[in-house]
Order: sequence, then C-alpha cells, then structure tokens
Amino acid sequence: GQQLNQSPQSMFIQEGEDVSMNCTSSSIFNTWLWYKQDPGEGPVLLIALYKAGELTSNGRLTAQFGITRKDSFLNISASIPSDVGIYFCAGQLSGNTPLVFGKGTRLSVIA
Amino acid sequence: DTAVSQTPKYLVTQMGNDKSIKCEQNLGHDTMYWYKQDSKKFLKIMFSYNNKELIINETVPNRFSPKSPDKAHLNLHINSLELGDSAVYFCASSPSRQLLLRGYTFGSGTRLTVV
Repeated sequence: GQQLNQSPQSMFIQEGEDVSMNCTSSSIFNTWLWYKQDPGEGPVLLIALYKAGELTSNGRLTAQFGITRKDSFLNISASIPSDVGIYFCAGQLSGNTPLVFGKGTRLSVIA
Repeated sequence: DTAVSQTPKYLVTQMGNDKSIKCEQNLGHDTMYWYKQDSKKFLKIMFSYNNKELIINETVPNRFSPKSPDKAHLNLHINSLELGDSAVYFCASSPSRQLLLRGYTFGSGTRLTVV
C-alpha cells in the first residue's frame, strides 16, 4: 500500500528547543494532516493542509504543505514537557481514499 | 460528551475466542473507519463505511467482520482470535469521505491482547 516516509523516528530534546519533523511520499497527496497521539489515547488533529505551498500555524506549531504535494514538515517552537508524544503525518491521495499514516515521530522533552 | 467512543478500552482473551468491539459517534458524521495500530505504532486502515455501506475493505482476514447498524455505529467482530491480532484498534469518523475539512476524529482505542 501507499507509504509515507516520516523522519526522524524519535527525538530527544531539551525543554525550550525547537523541533522539526517531516514526511515525504513518492505520490502526490491532495491533503496533508498532522496528528499527535498521547499514551492511551487516539490521535488528535493538530494541523490540516489543503493547498500546495500552504503554511499554517496553530500556536507554537507550524506546518507546510510542500509545493510538489509530496512532502510536508511540522515545526514545534519552544518545546514544553506536554509536547511529549507521538506525532503522525497523514495524507489523503484523493477525495475517496482513506487517510494513510506515516510511522510516527516519538518526541521526548527533557526538562 | 465523548465524540467517538469505543468499548471496551481493554480486552484480554484467549486464542480461538470470538469478540466484538463497539464504536459510536455523536458528531453526525457520515463516514466511519477502523484502524489497527501495531506494537510499532503503525496505523493501518482496515475498513471504511459510508452511511452504513462498506466502501473500503483492505487486506484484512475475513475473520474480521465490521457491522454498521446505523451511520452512528460501526462495530468490529473478530472470530477465532489469533495471537497476531493483538493490537490497539481505533475507530474514527469524518463528515464524509470526500471532504476532509477537519480530518478524522478518533476514539481512544481498544487494546486487544490475545493470550
């Protein structure tokens, strides 16, 4: 099936540092989404991107939809302990296909 | 008021048993999904229902049978459980399969352990 390549697989950072993670694909997606999953919970939507080149912010989070529609990145500025979790990129190839997820980036924040 | 609720949250059962997981959404969404998350946290689509009609069935063993009595409910029945079925199963919903304005809303998951 279609795969999204998400990196890095895991990150250990100091509180206050900025974080960047990204996803790439060999296929063109019409929508990119970024989710966060806390332990014992389901993924929660952080940011949704619908247009190539779109740059969207949600508080300390910023995400961009690549101009080729084959990649996206997520930045977190001034990380805090509650940013700990697994971040997933997800993409939709076309309007009728289900979301495909990357393998996740596990973020650990050291206070 | 939980938007997408799954029951049970934890399920431990023996190999060979048959079990069901229930999912209900109160968002008025038309489309519901089942995803499986393995031990490496990889999320994979299993099924998708739109207005009670099955629209996607990925390569899932036919021991897994989804049932949607109405568009607010999508249950997952699993026959003859195997060790490899151990995973976290997530139910999700979206307003429709064609519009992705707010992505999918996920339930909190059902952790299935087959012993």
